[in-house]
Amino acid sequence: EAGVAQSPRYKIIEKRQSVAFWCNPISGHATLYWYQQILGQGPKLLIQFQNNGVVDDSQLPKDRFSAERLKGVDSTLKIQPAKLEDSAVYLCASSPDRSNTGELFFGEGSRLTVL
Amino acid sequence: LAKTTQPISMDSYEGQEVNITCSHNNIATNDYITWYQQFPSQGPRFIIQGYKTKVTNEVASLFIPADRKSSTLSLPRVSLSDTAVYYCLGNTGNQFYFGTGTSLTVIP
Repeated sequence: EAGVAQSPRYKIIEKRQSVAFWCNPISGHATLYWYQQILGQGPKLLIQFQNNGVVDDSQLPKDRFSAERLKGVDSTLKIQPAKLEDSAVYLCASSPDRSNTGELFFGEGSRLTVL
Repeated sequence: LAKTTQPISMDSYEGQEVNITCSHNNIATNDYITWYQQFPSQGPRFIIQGYKTKVTNEVASLFIPADRKSSTLSLPRVSLSDTAVYYCLGNTGNQFYFGTGTSLTVIP
């Protein structure tokens, strides 16, 4: 079974530029999550989708971050304009489980460096 | 938000059993307790999950007391390859939150 796919793996941009990350979850997984992981910290939930609807985006900095999951399959996370503090690994996860058991399948992440 | 508390770091010698305890603040009646492992430059990987008492799989055991306010991840006979960060997960509904994790270093 193919895992969660993310791209690009690495991205370096200058502050105030924009960047987009793509995630393709495991086939059939209804729930998709984006997490931000700053070096030395645990992953921080940014947004959660159930199919193509947003379940929780309370920690998403909406002035600069946006995410969509058209057709309820793959998803894109965008940052515009980027700030230095956005340097982090952006992790996508998916889950087949609607019953809140917490078994998430993560991709390898997209590492963003903002200069 | 559901909050979890765990030690920041632990060291262990190869071959020893390691126990990492997590405190679960505000755990809800229907929430499961889940642990993840993360190696550098990789996403977290699911290790084990339980609801109450004890769960064991090929990797670890999970002990949960009756009040479910804490849990203990037990790794038997650790090896160098078990060096990683271990997270217990807190959840509110089906939103899942990671704490700072426990960085385990296995020493030869």
